[in-house]
Amino acid sequence: EAQVTQNPRYLITVTGKKLTVTCSQNMNHEYMSWYRQDPGLGLRQIYYSMNVEVTDKGDVPEGYKVSRKEKRNFPLILESPSPNQTSLYFCASSWNRNTEAFFGQGTRLTVV
Amino acid sequence: GIQVEQSPPDLILQEGANSTLRCNFSDSVNNLQWFHQNPWGQLINLFYIPSGTKQNGRLSATTVATERYSLLYISSSQTTDSGVYFCAALPKSDYKLSFGAGTTVTVRA
Repeated sequence: EAQVTQNPRYLITVTGKKLTVTCSQNMNHEYMSWYRQDPGLGLRQIYYSMNVEVTDKGDVPEGYKVSRKEKRNFPLILESPSPNQTSLYFCASSWNRNTEAFFGQGTRLTVV
Repeated sequence: GIQVEQSPPDLILQEGANSTLRCNFSDSVNNLQWFHQNPWGQLINLFYIPSGTKQNGRLSATTVATERYSLLYISSSQTTDSGVYFCAALPKSDYKLSFGAGTTVTVRA
């Protein structure tokens, strides 16, 4: 089944404790991206990747890192999480930036 | 950047009713998608429709790219249609989908 898989689905962590949210797609898509969804602010892009080893900042990259060492994986790294990073996170993938995007199930992150 | 505006913000329907959701966008687009966010937070793809008309069961969508709007039609609504419907557009000059604020649909039995 074609899908985008995020892990974990739910996470509660403490301020400053480094964490990684994984994202994997099995569709051989070149383009991947991360979004966060917050009440009143909607969905905003954090980072995107056009292909392996090619990443760039989206609208809200502060406090996040990404890497794209393999085509299928695009992890989101929070080196020192803070409470304002409490949010619902989505990973997405598509053949290229213009084609249909498919989203993962979402990761609910709470930083206390 | 591109502005994506959805209307109405909220919609309450009786089961079996029909409805139309609208999405206006402020720039030429390469991609226009409709999503349904279910109560568990998952974003479900409904349509990839940068132009033209598509139908999938009780749902259909039309995008008039030259006039910069898209419409999502829900016919014979069911309680399972409840949730938030998002329109997202990718302008020709950008690398990210820009989402509208969504339309919250509540279907009552």
